[in-house]
This record gives sequence, structure tokens and C-alpha cells, in this order.
Amino acid sequence: GENVEQHPSTLSVQEGDSAVIKCTYSDSASNYFPWYKQELGKGPQLIIDIRSNVGEKKDQRIAVTLNKTAKHFSLHITETQPEDSAVYFCAASLIHGGFKTIFGAGTRLFVKA
Amino acid sequence: DAEITQSPRHKITETGRQVTLACHQTWNHNNMFWYRQDLGHGLRLIHYSYGVHDTNKGEVSDGYSVSRSNTEDLPLTLESAASSQTSVYFCASSSGGREETQYFGPGTRLLVL
Repeated sequence: GENVEQHPSTLSVQEGDSAVIKCTYSDSASNYFPWYKQELGKGPQLIIDIRSNVGEKKDQRIAVTLNKTAKHFSLHITETQPEDSAVYFCAASLIHGGFKTIFGAGTRLFVKA
Repeated sequence: DAEITQSPRHKITETGRQVTLACHQTWNHNNMFWYRQDLGHGLRLIHYSYGVHDTNKGEVSDGYSVSRSNTEDLPLTLESAASSQTSVYFCASSSGGREETQYFGPGTRLLVL
């Protein structure tokens, strides 16, 4: 069935270093790729998203890249800070088709001060 | 400010009991979703609704039901709670338009003994 694989499951970096989380998806019809950040005891919150007609999007220290041919997309966080420590989820979905949103299993990011 | 709330935040129940988890959003969103979150599985869709009186089954709907009598609320009912339903439950909503960002509630932690 349709799925989204996310790697790594755990990532530990030193403050100031970069962090990269990668996802692959199976449904070639997917055209919207959001990334969510979940802090302890809270619900996931959207941090950045990308649509299939764009290859890269950047918002301050966060960037997302998309390779539709390979069905890969990645989250890049530069100059990591302790407050970036959280669980990050990638997802793939169809625009206008919310029920087709499939989430990755999550990456727990630790940023060591 | 618009928001999405869930209640209760924590619940302990016994197997076989009926349990209802509440979800209320003031975004005036058409779409509402229920997910469960378990370690290693990310977020899995239980039920979703695209509007009043509309309900649909998601990936893991067995043992759960929802009803949508107004725009703001989508309660989730566990007809006869089972230990396998111990989980963290998240409600989400989206506008249903071109912007498909889902906004999540804070979650309900359910323990079935």
C-alpha cells in the first residue's frame, strides 16, 4: 500500500551543526509534502511545506528539497539550536485530498548544547 | 484566535467501556480528522469528515466511530475499549481549499486497562 519512509529515526547533532531528515514516498500522485514539528506533550505543527511544482523551498534556517522523479524529499535545518530538539514528521498528500495524507514514522532530533 | 481543542487531555478507562473523545475547532474548517499516534507508527488516520453529516473510514477505523452534526465538532467514540486502543489521539482540521495544511489539537492520552 501507500507509505512514507522516514530516516533516520533518531538524530543527534551538536548545536550549530546541520541536520538532515530524508523521506521517500510510494504514491506518485502525491503533490503536497508538509513537514511537522512535534514538541513534547503537544500536537504536530506545520513548519514548512512544498508542492510538486517546486524543487526547493527555504524559510530562514529550514529548507526542504523535493525530487519527484526519485520520490524523495528532505528537510534541512542549519545552525541547529537546542530549541530545535523535537520529533519531526514528513508527510505526503494530495492537494484537495486530505484523507490521502500519509505520515512518516518520525525522527527524534536531539541538539546538544 | 482560532484554535482546535481536545478533551479530556488524559483518560484512563477499562476494557469494554465506551469512551468518547471530544474535538472542537473554531477555524470554521470543513475538514476534520482523527489520528492515533503510536511509537514507530507515526500518525495513522482513524476517521475523517469533509463536512456536516459526512464521515469516512481511515486506515485504522475498526472499533471507532465518529459523527459530524456541526462544523465545529467531531467526537471520536470507542464503542468497547480494548487495550490495543491505548494510544495518543490527535484531532486535526483543514480548510479543504487549496491550502491543505492540517492544524492539530494538543492530543488526548488514553490508557485502557
